[in-house]
Amino acid sequence: GIQVEQSPPDLILQEGANSTLRCNFSDSVNNLQWFHQNPWGQLINLFYIPSGTKQNGRLSATTVATERYSLLYISSSQTTDSGVYFCAVWESGGGADGLTFGKGTHLIIQP
Amino acid sequence: DTAVSQTPKYLVTQMGNDKSIKCEQNLGHDTMYWYKQDSKKFLKIMFSYNNKELIINETVPNRFSPKSPDKAHLNLHINSLELGDSAVYFCASTQAGEKYFGPGTRLTVT
Repeated sequence: GIQVEQSPPDLILQEGANSTLRCNFSDSVNNLQWFHQNPWGQLINLFYIPSGTKQNGRLSATTVATERYSLLYISSSQTTDSGVYFCAVWESGGGADGLTFGKGTHLIIQP
Repeated sequence: DTAVSQTPKYLVTQMGNDKSIKCEQNLGHDTMYWYKQDSKKFLKIMFSYNNKELIINETVPNRFSPKSPDKAHLNLHINSLELGDSAVYFCASTQAGEKYFGPGTRLTVT
């Protein structure tokens, strides 16, 4: 099956810093999503971005499908940005036809 | 206006018991899923259900069975619970595109 690798696995930053999280995937995909799992365990949709660039406030994402990677940018980090960021991809017709998740980037924003 | 909801949020039970987790979505989506998140935070698909077609991840034990009374609901039944079933279970739904997740149910088997 498809492999999804995220980097870095852990990241500790001071409030106000910027960061870039990377997601590499091993095969062509029909769908890619970024999620934020907050400290309470909720999975929050950040971006549905099979290709191209999207922005939402301080967050933006870019997927280059032909090169099989996606980037999540967080600017002016706040403590509420802490949590685990997951990249997940979907290859239609693969197994249970659901998302394959990476192992996540654990982000800690210190005040 | 909750999109995908699950009950209960927490479930503590003993080995050998049978339990169910309920999931409802009000998005009008055709496909629903169950995912399992283990203690290392790894999320893995368990089932997908679309128009009465069930696709099962081959690694899921047959003690787990999804049941869909209607298009908006996909419940998860677990028989003869084992310690290794302790995890957070997430329900999700989609309409051939972006997937939306419920808040999760933390299952602890003692």
